[in-house]
Amino acid sequence: AQKVTQTQTSISVVEKTTVTMDCVYETRDSSYFLFWYKQTASGEIVFLIRQDSYKKENATVGHYSLNFQKPKSSIGLIITATQIEDSAVYFCAMRGNNYAQGLTFGLGTRVSVFP
Amino acid sequence: DMKVTQMPRYLIKRMGENVLLECGQDMSHETMYWYRQDPGLGLQLIYISYDVDSNSEGDIPKGYRVSRKKREHFSLILDSAKTNQTSVYFCASSLGGSQNTLYFGAGTRLSVL
Repeated sequence: AQKVTQTQTSISVVEKTTVTMDCVYETRDSSYFLFWYKQTASGEIVFLIRQDSYKKENATVGHYSLNFQKPKSSIGLIITATQIEDSAVYFCAMRGNNYAQGLTFGLGTRVSVFP
Repeated sequence: DMKVTQMPRYLIKRMGENVLLECGQDMSHETMYWYRQDPGLGLQLIYISYDVDSNSEGDIPKGYRVSRKKREHFSLILDSAKTNQTSVYFCASSLGGSQNTLYFGAGTRLSVL
């Protein structure tokens, strides 16, 4: 079984700066997939970015990027040039080789972006 | 436009009543999921469906059952709802395969009184 831990419950940042949030995971699978999702104030859950464990390069999509440190079982999310609209709860999730297990989610980090 | 649609968005039921939550997707995704979200517990997988009439229990299936008779439609059923089933329920869908992204519906907020 997988386990995903997000230790930061909340982070506050000033608009246009960079925010970094942590996520560590546990799995026995040799190959796995890591995801970040965002939940907005309306409750909508939106996919942001994915990292495949066999890829050494950190994934980047728009102003989201990942810091994948495989030896530490860590997958951090970095948001650059934050905007007020980035205020949300961010979830880290993973899925192992066993497709039948669905995604396992962390408890989330609430990010508040202030002007 | 890729979309997962959940109905209803809000529902209030009395303990012991039956509850039907419905989910549809227009992406021809093979796999569909039901999760519930509770404060402090996060998102927990209730059931997963690999295709029509091919369903599997997730981590917390007790008290729930599902039905999938068409690929685009997945229902969650609570027979004789309990107060501890008050939660926000999310449906999601994805292509088959571990690497594929889940797309979520907007959620159904269920209150069981």
